[in-house]
Amino acid sequence: GESVGLHLPTLSVQEGDNSIINCAYSNSASDYFIWYKQESGKGPQFIIDIRSNMDKRQGQRVTVLLNKTVKHLSLQIAATQPGDSAVYFCAEKGGNEKLTFGTGTRLTIIP
Amino acid sequence: GAGVSQTPSNKVTEKGKYVELRCDPISGHTALYWYRQSLGQGPEFLIYFQGTGAADDSGLPNDRFFAVRPEGSVSTLKIQRTERGDSAVYLCASSTDQGGDEQFFGPGTRLTVL
Repeated sequence: GESVGLHLPTLSVQEGDNSIINCAYSNSASDYFIWYKQESGKGPQFIIDIRSNMDKRQGQRVTVLLNKTVKHLSLQIAATQPGDSAVYFCAEKGGNEKLTFGTGTRLTIIP
Repeated sequence: GAGVSQTPSNKVTEKGKYVELRCDPISGHTALYWYRQSLGQGPEFLIYFQGTGAADDSGLPNDRFFAVRPEGSVSTLKIQRTERGDSAVYLCASSTDQGGDEQFFGPGTRLTVL
């Protein structure tokens, strides 16, 4: 069945450094991908999205890269700040309205 | 403006009891979604409403779970004969319309079944 998974469950980054969070997906029919940030006790918060007809999209301090050939998605966060510490989920949607989430990566920013 | 709100924020119940979880979507959002998130996992889809009708309920685990959205705004997720395995955070999200990609999530209701 379709699945979205992450390569690393935890990631620690020095404050000010860049971080990269990776995600693999298996549904080649997926046409929309999203990164969410979830802080403790809160719901997922939208960070950035990308459609399958693109391979890169940039936001404020964040960049999402999509490699459809190997079904790989990544989130790059530039100049990390303490407030970036959270669990990050990738999610995909294809052919219907439901989102399929990965397990998540816990990002910890070291002061 | 107000985001998605969910009540209660926490619910503790005993095995076998009935519970109702409420979701108030963002005003004007026609699409509403319920997800369930177990500890250490990503959210899992339960059901999706477009207006008053359930457009996709394929994620409901069994017939103990039911959701309604009678007026196309507020939605209630109902769980009968709760089991310990139902313990999780139940998340609600809304989006502007069918095909509206960005889903805005509420804070969730943490359900604990003793």
